[in-house]
Amino acid sequence: AQKVTQAQTEISVVEKEDVTLDCVYETRDTTYYLFWYKQPPSGELVFLIRRNSFDEQNEISGRYSWNFQKSTSSFNFTITASQVVDSAVYFCALSSWRNQGGKLIFGQGTELSVKP
Amino acid sequence: DADVTQTPRNRITKTGKRIMLECSQTKGHDRMYWYRQDPGLGLRLIYYSFDVKDINKGEISDGYSVSRQAQAKFSLSLESAIPNQTALYFCATSDRYIRTGGSAGELFFGEGSRLTVL
Repeated sequence: AQKVTQAQTEISVVEKEDVTLDCVYETRDTTYYLFWYKQPPSGELVFLIRRNSFDEQNEISGRYSWNFQKSTSSFNFTITASQVVDSAVYFCALSSWRNQGGKLIFGQGTELSVKP
Repeated sequence: DADVTQTPRNRITKTGKRIMLECSQTKGHDRMYWYRQDPGLGLRLIYYSFDVKDINKGEISDGYSVSRQAQAKFSLSLESAIPNQTALYFCATSDRYIRTGGSAGELFFGEGSRLTVL
């Protein structure tokens, strides 16, 4: 069975602080895909990143960075110098190669509040 | 215009009523999905369809049915709505193939349909 756990339900930080959102996953597949999505207060779901299981290279995109560690089955997301606009619910998700992607299994979400 | 369109965006109904949520897409994707979002539970898969003739139950299909009228249309029905079906519903699409450098299994979501069952 596949499962994604985001143990942090809510996180509150002050603007300019760095914050890391944790994601731990379970799968028996050797090839799989991991995703992060952002859901701002307006409600839409915004794709942030996809990572293949065979590519453990960390990725940085502006203030966002992702740390993928197969040894600990984790795919953590760090926001550097957080801003109020980063306030949102963030979802980590997993899909199997056998499904050619799609059919994502989502974590419970972490609600990030960035205060000015 | 949005690539994935859901109607209605908001609906309030009463227990026992039949409700249909509609989804249409212009992305040309074969695969379509219905998810339900509840606070603290994330998004859970209700039904998914990998093509017009292929419909599958997801994690929480009880009380729901779907219809794939065409490649671009995927409807979700609640035959007799109950209060615990109050939630935010998302339709999504994905490409059939993992395309290096392009969309790769990611889901493209509609804007959501907020359903309240009284």
